[in-house]
Formats: sequence, structure tokens, C-alpha cells
Amino acid sequence: GAGVSQSPSNKVTEKGKDVELRCDPISGHTALYWYRQRLGQGLEFLIYFQGNSAPDKSGLPSDRFSAERTGESVSTLTIQRTQQEDSAVYLCASSLYGIPEAFFGQGTRLTVV
Amino acid sequence: AQSVTQLDSQVPVFEEAPVELRCNYSSSVSVYLFWYVQYPNQGLQLLLKYLSGSTLVKGINGFEAEFNKSQTSFHLRKPSVHISDTAEYFCAVSGPYNQGGKLIFGQGTELSVKP
Repeated sequence: GAGVSQSPSNKVTEKGKDVELRCDPISGHTALYWYRQRLGQGLEFLIYFQGNSAPDKSGLPSDRFSAERTGESVSTLTIQRTQQEDSAVYLCASSLYGIPEAFFGQGTRLTVV
Repeated sequence: AQSVTQLDSQVPVFEEAPVELRCNYSSSVSVYLFWYVQYPNQGLQLLLKYLSGSTLVKGINGFEAEFNKSQTSFHLRKPSVHISDTAEYFCAVSGPYNQGGKLIFGQGTELSVKP
């Protein structure tokens, strides 16, 4: 695809369940970012992958959050034992190495009920 | 580490008036600076970016921003706004890739253009 693709676009889950959010970056983009955007708020950095380097996980809010990326392709953000405060739009972005312009997906809207 | 402060959470303005959205950053290294726009119920779109060179950067939709290193600012301006400019605007900063490169955003400024 031409852009960053995220799935699902919407997810409703029960409190305590685990969820997986998927991000397909633009082909060839070595950098991949995950952000969380709560209603009416800014973008909260979660995690950053750059090529084969160790990911920057400094933004993950708790050990219930984890993310993986296979090489320079798909990434999965997993939230275990979801809580109501996890409700937000989760945004993924990717960029080329050395060109710091990030392209964003449309996001996954997560609602924990 | 880098950080970004957007000084105004909301900016109401009348159509055809000029507007300035303020952004200050802090960083111990050289930075790249960005403004993104988010229209209602849509994803983020890049408005403009400063990487190097001229400190006055022009972007899409008639917006421009000026990088001021001494004041660590990157304010966004438009001489005459339209109703369609109503959106959330985010300032962002990143450091060089060889020193991290992750993109950090401000809290956003909601621009509301009224007729």
C-alpha cells in the first residue's frame, strides 16, 4: 500500500481482555513509532523502532504494554489486561532513515468497556 | 532529551484574520522541527518541516513557520485564515537519527475559525 495501514480501525473490548493492534508501515521505512492519543489530548509517545537497533520503549506506560516489530515490516502493539484508561486512539507512523518526516496511519480507536 | 511546549491550547479567530500558533522546544542537541495538522476525525498530516538552511519555512495551505534558535521557538503563522483551517495543530521535534531520532509532540493547539 501507499500509506501506513493500521488494523483494526475500531476495537471494543471488555476490561481485563488482551488486545493486539497492528501497523503496516510504508515499504522501505526503517523507523516506526507508536503513539497514544486520549480524547482531546496530544500525542503521547509510546515506543520507537529504528532498523535493527534496540527499540526505545521509554514511553510505554506500564508493563501491560508491549510492542514487537519483525525486521522492517509489520509491528504489533499488545495491551494486556486492558483497563478503561487505555481507551484512546493508537496511532502508528513510519519514516525513512535519515529523513525525519513521519507518515501517520489513520489510527485504531480502542474502547474498553 | 527533547520536549515541546505549545503555549496556547485553544485559539479562536475570525475568518480572514491572521493567526500565530506558538511552539517552544528544548533540546541539548540540534533538532528537526515539524508542524502537523489533524482535521476532525482524521489522521495527522504534515504541514511543514525545518531540517536545515533557511529559518523561514513554507508549508501547505499557506502556512509558514520561523525557526528561532536563540528563542528556541518555531511559531506557525498564516496571514489570512479560512473556515477550513479549523483543526488541531501539533508541533513536534526530533533529534538526529544518530542520537535517537524519535519524534516528540506538543499537546496541540485547537484552531477555531469563525465566520
